[in-house]
Amino acid sequence: GDSVTQMEGPVTLSEEAFLTINCTYTATGYPSLFWYVQYPGEGLQLLLKATKADDKGSNKGFEATYRKETTSFHLEKGSVQVSDSAVYFCALSPNSGYSTLTFGKGTMLLVSP
Amino acid sequence: DGGITQSPKYLFRKEGQNVTLSCEQNLNHDAMYWYRQDPGQGLRLIYYSQIVNDFQKGDIAEGYSVSREKKESFPLTVTSAQKNPTAFYLCASSMSPDREKLFFGSGTQLSVL
Repeated sequence: GDSVTQMEGPVTLSEEAFLTINCTYTATGYPSLFWYVQYPGEGLQLLLKATKADDKGSNKGFEATYRKETTSFHLEKGSVQVSDSAVYFCALSPNSGYSTLTFGKGTMLLVSP
Repeated sequence: DGGITQSPKYLFRKEGQNVTLSCEQNLNHDAMYWYRQDPGQGLRLIYYSQIVNDFQKGDIAEGYSVSREKKESFPLTVTSAQKNPTAFYLCASSMSPDREKLFFGSGTQLSVL
């Protein structure tokens, strides 16, 4: 079945550092890929998405590129802030009929001043 | 403001007791979902509903039940058959054609006394 694998956290960075959170997936066909973010005590919010190979999703300074050849969708940000501290979830949707999202286990990011 | 409201924020269950978690949305979304979140395990789908009076089992439906009598409401009952109910429960909704963009509530933490 479909699956998403994320790097284990926590990822601990200082403010203004460069962020990469790795995400790889296993799926048949051509899924859509997503990053969701969960701030402390809240539900998840969609951060960005990409629907086909080589697409780049971006939002709030975060970017991720859909790499079909490496089945990856790594999340990056050039300069993190303390307010970026949260749990980040990679997810996929198979794009076949009515399907639900498959989420990774989440990666906690902690940014210190 | 439109959104998803989950209640209560914290809930305690005694052994052998059924408890019901509330989820209400005023976004006019067709689809609604229940996820369970355990530390280090990400989100797992319990049940989902695409339209009123219809719902489908997700990956971990055993020990849970749902109803969808109204478009805006999707309550989840955790029955006594669920032997390990302690978790954070998240409700979400989405709307075609952008059904992969899930809007989440702020969650209910269920604990066993």
